[in-house]
Amino acid sequence: DAEITQSPRHKITETGRQVTLACHQTWNHNNMFWYRQDLGHGLRLIHYSYGVQDTNKGEVSDGYSVSRSNTEDLPLTLESAASSQTSVYFCASSRTRTDTQYFGPGTRLTVL
Amino acid sequence: AQSVTQLGSHVSVSEGALVLLRCNYSSSVPPYLFWYVQYPNQGLQLLLKYTSAATLVKGINGFEAEFKKSETSFHLTKPSAHMSDAAEYFCAVSSGDYGGSQGNLIFGKGTKLSVKP
Repeated sequence: DAEITQSPRHKITETGRQVTLACHQTWNHNNMFWYRQDLGHGLRLIHYSYGVQDTNKGEVSDGYSVSRSNTEDLPLTLESAASSQTSVYFCASSRTRTDTQYFGPGTRLTVL
Repeated sequence: AQSVTQLGSHVSVSEGALVLLRCNYSSSVPPYLFWYVQYPNQGLQLLLKYTSAATLVKGINGFEAEFKKSETSFHLTKPSAHMSDAAEYFCAVSSGDYGGSQGNLIFGKGTKLSVKP
């Protein structure tokens, strides 16, 4: 069955370190998204991509970057982790821009 | 700009009682509207979506929602709550076919539903 996976599921890192969170989908969806979920804020969009080599900033993109070299993967990089980036991160994908977004299981990141 | 307001961060009902979770949206273009459910330590799962067809939308697990343009609302209901419905529920809006960032979802802050035996 097609699916969307995220790794690692849990990560503890230190302030200032570079961290990369992986997202992989096997639906061959063009669109991929990264969100962070924080108590009291719901989900907020970090970056999104509408296809290979396409990336766009979302509402809370500062301190994050993404690259899209193939259809299946959209890794999220924290260039220099900060305690404010402690959160749960969700990746999602959709077939078209107006289609349902399907979410991965999430990565819980703690920055000490 | 689009926005979503979910009234009540926490709703508690008894098993068998009506579930009503409120969602109001703001959108300058015809919206697409979604309800997602999140069980503990899991990702989000689509419950139902409105895409300008029927105003009453039926979803999974007995949930439904009614799009009311005049009230800019998309409230989620279920006639009889089960213990298994305890979860967090998110309302989301997108611009659908319109706008530069087509399809990007704007989420509400979520409503945690508790079901008492």
